[in-house]
Amino acid sequence: ETGVTQSPTHLIKTRGQQVTLRCSSQSGHNTVSWYQQALGQGPQFIFQYYREEENGRGNFPPRFSGLQFPNYSSELNVNALELDDSALYLCASSPSGRVDTQYFGPGTRLTVL
Amino acid sequence: RKEVEQDPGPFNVPEGATVAFNCTYSNSASQSFFWYRQDCRKEPKLLMSVYSSGNEDGRFTAQLNRASQYISLLIRDSKLSDSATYLCVVKLNGGSQGNLIFGKGTKLSVKP
Repeated sequence: ETGVTQSPTHLIKTRGQQVTLRCSSQSGHNTVSWYQQALGQGPQFIFQYYREEENGRGNFPPRFSGLQFPNYSSELNVNALELDDSALYLCASSPSGRVDTQYFGPGTRLTVL
Repeated sequence: RKEVEQDPGPFNVPEGATVAFNCTYSNSASQSFFWYRQDCRKEPKLLMSVYSSGNEDGRFTAQLNRASQYISLLIRDSKLSDSATYLCVVKLNGGSQGNLIFGKGTKLSVKP
C-alpha cells in the first residue's frame, strides 16, 4: 500500500452536475498530482499542487479545478460534467524534492450518465 | 504523433517465456523514464526507473536509447503474476515538475 487514499471509490453523476474528489497524500509528501485515465488509455496529467499552490497544469479546461490544504490533502473539482469525463481519477503524492517518484492512490471511478 | 507510443498488445505468452515491450517518445527534452505496472482496475505502480546505462531488477531489464528515443522492457521467465498492463512513462525536463506522460500501455497475459 502506498498510503495514498482517495474518496469516494465510485461515483455516478449526470451531465451538468458538479463533483468533488478527495485525496489524502502519504505522510510527509507535500506534492499532489491528479490524473484522468479513460478506459483503455494511459493516465493524463490534469494538474499538480505543491504547498497549496497549483504548480503546473495539463490540457484540461478550467472547469477542472483543484485545491490543496495545509495538511497536503487535495481536492479535484469538476463542474458542468460531460459524458467524456467518465474515467478513473488518480491522485499521486510525491515527497519534497523527489517529484519523479509518485505514489498513486487507488483512484475514484466516475461515471457520468 | 503521440508523445509516448507503445505496442498496445495484448501479448499472450506461456509461463517461462521471455517477452519484450517497446516504447518510443517524441520529445527530446524528456528527462526521466519509467515503467509502471497496472493491474486490472487498480492504480499504476512503479516497476522500475530506466537509466541510459540500462538497468536490471531480477527478471526485469530496462533499456534506454536517447538517440533513437526508444525505451524497452524485457521480462524473462514470465510468471502468471506478471499478467498486467505495462505503462511506459516519461517526464519532460522543465515545465510542470510532476507531469508524467504515460503511454496507453501494453497488456500482458501469461498463461499456464
